[in-house]
Amino acid sequence: GAVVSQHPSWVICKSGTSVKIECRSLDFQATTMFWYRQFPKQSLMLMATSNEGSKATYEQGVEKDKFLINHASLTLSTLTVTSAHPEDSSFYICSARAGQGGAQYFGPGTRLLVL
Amino acid sequence: AQSVAQPEDQVNVAEGNPLTVKCTYSVSGNPYLFWYVQYPNRGLQFLLKYITGDNLVKGSYGFEAEFNKSQTSFHLKKPSALVSDSALYFCAVRDTSPRSNDYKLSFGAGTTVTVRA
Repeated sequence: GAVVSQHPSWVICKSGTSVKIECRSLDFQATTMFWYRQFPKQSLMLMATSNEGSKATYEQGVEKDKFLINHASLTLSTLTVTSAHPEDSSFYICSARAGQGGAQYFGPGTRLLVL
Repeated sequence: AQSVAQPEDQVNVAEGNPLTVKCTYSVSGNPYLFWYVQYPNRGLQFLLKYITGDNLVKGSYGFEAEFNKSQTSFHLKKPSALVSDSALYFCAVRDTSPRSNDYKLSFGAGTTVTVRA
């Protein structure tokens, strides 16, 4: 089956620093990638959608200057949390899809803790 | 607008018994429907999907789901549950209507399944 990886799986950082999370589709080309945020025991909240080579489309209420998304190739998207604060601590999950009719495959998630 | 409802926060069953996790959806066009499972501190694993065709869809780990258009439901089922099936299950829908211009998934709130030995 399709595999999506995320790196790192855990990150602890100091308040004010920036953190980059990578999402890779390992065995397929992802024309679209999605970034989600999940709070404990809650559903996934879509943050943004990115198509390869274009600017990401952010959901209402998500600060695009704080959560920078780059989708430079068909197999890699990055999410950078800039000037992270403790309220940014969360579980971030990426997802990749090949074509509009396909299923979305999810990465294993990245747990971010901002101290 | 599209939405998904998972009416049960928790489902508890004994090992070996049938397992059902309920899902209903709302879309303006035809739906693409998905089930995912999430284990603690892990991402979502794809179980199965309905795009078109046979209403009964078979997926991974012995799970299946039945698309019922009249009841707008897509319940997940497993004939004989295992302890290892204990996890958080999400139903998701995507509207295929041409007026739906984003093709994004909407997730239900999730159902925690506990299978006791």
